[in-house]
Amino acid sequence: NAGVIQTPRHKVTGKGQEATLWCEPISGHSAVFWYRQTIVQGLEFLTYFRNQAPIDDSGMPKERFSAQMPNQSHSTLKIQSTQPQDSAVYLCASSLDGGGGDPQYFGPGTRLLVL
Amino acid sequence: GEQVEQRPPHLSVREGDSAVIICTYTDPNSYYFFWYKQEPGAGLQLLMKVFSSTEINEGQGFTVLLNKKDKQLSLNLTAAHPGDSAVYFCAVRFNNYAQGLTFGLGTRVSVFP
Repeated sequence: NAGVIQTPRHKVTGKGQEATLWCEPISGHSAVFWYRQTIVQGLEFLTYFRNQAPIDDSGMPKERFSAQMPNQSHSTLKIQSTQPQDSAVYLCASSLDGGGGDPQYFGPGTRLLVL
Repeated sequence: GEQVEQRPPHLSVREGDSAVIICTYTDPNSYYFFWYKQEPGAGLQLLMKVFSSTEINEGQGFTVLLNKKDKQLSLNLTAAHPGDSAVYFCAVRFNNYAQGLTFGLGTRVSVFP
């Protein structure tokens, strides 16, 4: 089992450009979670899909951020008009069915740097 | 919403000694608790899941205690070795299908000879 795959591992964008981050969950897992990790804020929940349907996006910034899960094998997080404060490590996790006690398994993350 | 306070932020441990990390949570409805380990440049590795109904859990080289009365979760590293050097995070979640994990800010553990 390859685990959760995230691409790219590193991305550098200029201010105002768009960034798309990809996540491939563990095969057979029906839930996908996105988190953001920074030194100051730590690990913050962004959004969550279950069976490809958006369940909770309470952590997503209201502007410029969007996430999709077009099929069971990948999810994307898109940031439009990136700003320096978007610089962070974006982590994707998957779990078997998304329930409260269902362990989440994390990918290695995408380190985004906005210049 | 739920808040999780984790301490200490840094821990320096002599090889062979034990170390304790404590997390305090606020929401009494928190039901599942997790400990994760993060090594440099890597994602989070699941160490243990703790049910609210189980107070003591033992893993390989560590013990996790849950004190529901005081709303505290602790990770005790026993006989630390260099491979234990990493950042450790506690996380809590409600017993439902909504929301993600709420994490503590992490504890950086350094094991020295």
